[in-house]
Amino acid sequence: SYVLTQPPSVSVAPGQTARITCGRNNIGSKSVHWYQQKPGQAPVLVLYDDSDRPSGIPERFSGSNSGDTATLTISRVESGDEADYYCQLWDGGSDPVVFGGGTKLTVL
Amino acid sequence: EVQLVQSGAEVKKPGESLKISCKGSGYSFNNYWIGWVRQMPGKGLEWMAIIYPGISDTRYSPSSQGQVTISADKSITTAYLQWSSLKASDTATYYCVRLDPRNFQFDPWGQGTLVTVSS
Repeated sequence: SYVLTQPPSVSVAPGQTARITCGRNNIGSKSVHWYQQKPGQAPVLVLYDDSDRPSGIPERFSGSNSGDTATLTISRVESGDEADYYCQLWDGGSDPVVFGGGTKLTVL
Repeated sequence: EVQLVQSGAEVKKPGESLKISCKGSGYSFNNYWIGWVRQMPGKGLEWMAIIYPGISDTRYSPSSQGQVTISADKSITTAYLQWSSLKASDTATYYCVRLDPRNFQFDPWGQGTLVTVSS
């Protein structure tokens, strides 16, 4: 199935805004989901269906998806946001699940 | 509360067989896809297989097809991932995941099972 392209790393100072992208041709036609994985822990869903937040996820986490790029935006970044972030979508068919390669967010 | 609780870490030798488990609770086990995601040391997430316990429908990633077997026991709301002959390259953490049927996101995730294959 298709590969989702993420930048390997993003760095941001505390209090600033981090943007992590996930690219694929016409990704805007799909629902994109985002997971946060802190060191030594299982991933956690932080956004689903492009921009919806599960219960317990701060409003600082938001998302958009249009054209060839989906974006996870983290406002007012905190040290606790430092983690790997993965995008994912469902393609259907015989190989339905697609993950991005992951982005390491570093809080300077 | 929806929970997925996985079996503990395993250390195996190449060529040995293994079956790891994931017990689901807090939801209708038969009516949600449940599956496995692999994470090799220092690497990203790779989906391996999913199963719909109600009808035992299964899907495998192309790289997992023929390498592992996914199954489920509805009576004890438990899913399994099985290897008949482990390789060193199977060393990884394996996460059990439930697939939400509305938008096909994985939520929740189990705590992970570390499988180490070494001679």
